[in-house]
Amino acid sequence: QKEVEQNSGPLSVPEGAIASLNCTYSDRGSQSFFWYRQYSGKSPELIMFIYSNGDKEDGRFTAQLNKASQYVSLLIRDSQPSDSATYLCAVRVDTGRRALTFGSGTRLQVQP
Amino acid sequence: EAEVAQSPRYKITEKSQAVAFWCDPISGHATLYWYRQILGQGLELLVQFQDESVVDDSQLPKDRFSAERLKGVDSTLKIQPAELGDSAMYLCASSAGGPATNEKLFFGSGTQLSVL
Repeated sequence: QKEVEQNSGPLSVPEGAIASLNCTYSDRGSQSFFWYRQYSGKSPELIMFIYSNGDKEDGRFTAQLNKASQYVSLLIRDSQPSDSATYLCAVRVDTGRRALTFGSGTRLQVQP
Repeated sequence: EAEVAQSPRYKITEKSQAVAFWCDPISGHATLYWYRQILGQGLELLVQFQDESVVDDSQLPKDRFSAERLKGVDSTLKIQPAELGDSAMYLCASSAGGPATNEKLFFGSGTQLSVL
């Protein structure tokens, strides 16, 4: 079982719709969770992080965390074609090893 | 805005040759990471440094890969000899430390390696 699992997609949504990206993780000791966006041929850039159960909103982005279900999601409201990218979920287990463990990413396509 | 610098941007080499990648993290960032990303896949941690010390190199293929950060600033990742399966994007990232809950990684532009 992979430590961080994501559906590879592509997830296709029309412009203006809500895109919902999901991620599950296997280590119950995971403490912090990150969403990175990666355009084709570019390096990942941080969108949001969350470490408490519930929702965290930043502009059009909302991260949702449910530690009991070991599930984290990213909602993108009013999706734009410029949101088309691969979204990487990353998890940190704070045992002194602070490196992030990444999922393989979900490719999002926003159709104009 | 400060950035993580990496070079070269692209590298083409033949199988069995040696290659080296360089990374200069954001000034003051004590933690430096090397990740590898094969096309269409997620990021795989190769090595993590805290200052000049290796914190985690459990996933580094030590028979051919080596990494150093001698003065705790910039870092070099070397592959010798390169194999076809090493073709990937090699990404360097740095972080300032602080609480693990919100410690953010900043990535460089990466080095795209093609082994022929």
